[in-house]
Amino acid sequence: AQTVTQSQPEMSVQEAETVTLSCTYDTSENNYYLFWYKQPPSRQMILVIRQEAYKQQNATENRFSVNFQKAAKSFSLKISDSQLGDTAMYFCAFMATGNQFYFGTGTSLTVIP
Amino acid sequence: GAGVSQSPSNKVTEKGKDVELRCDPISGHTALYWYRQSLGQGLEFLIYFQGNSAPDKSGLPSDRFSAERTGGSVSTLTIQRTQQEDSAVYLCASRRLAGILDTQYFGPGTRLTVL
Repeated sequence: AQTVTQSQPEMSVQEAETVTLSCTYDTSENNYYLFWYKQPPSRQMILVIRQEAYKQQNATENRFSVNFQKAAKSFSLKISDSQLGDTAMYFCAFMATGNQFYFGTGTSLTVIP
Repeated sequence: GAGVSQSPSNKVTEKGKDVELRCDPISGHTALYWYRQSLGQGLEFLIYFQGNSAPDKSGLPSDRFSAERTGGSVSTLTIQRTQQEDSAVYLCASRRLAGILDTQYFGPGTRLTVL
């Protein structure tokens, strides 16, 4: 069975600073995909970034980057130059075969002006 | 183009009543997912439709829950004899599924409150 764990229920960061959200997962699969989704107060889930497990290079999307440690089954999200609009719930997700997605319980991030 | 839409946005019902939640996926998207998001919890997978294949119902929590997808487009999630523990936000997502990395596009959800 696949599980995704986010151990930080809440975090805060000063505007313009950098914050890292943690995510670990457990799987016996070798080929899989990892995602970070953002859910602002509007409830609209938006994909932030994704990573293929077979790629060693960490994915980067503008201010968002990941630190993917396959052996440790860790997939953290780094947000640089935090902005007020980054305030949201962030969910880590895993997908292997079968196209089913497994989500963590989320981290509530607040960017403080 | 239009995104995934869900209706109603909010639903309040009495315990024991049946409810229907609707999802309109993005046109051309062959895959459709339903999730349940309870307060303080992550997204719980409920059911997955892919084209004309038999749906993956492995996440449905009880036989009070069912879902249909008509014509490969609109989907309806039905909860019979609602219970207070069914109170949650129900999210729908669709994927084009032209490639394995096709992302899910989520609707805004339906907040269900069972009194």
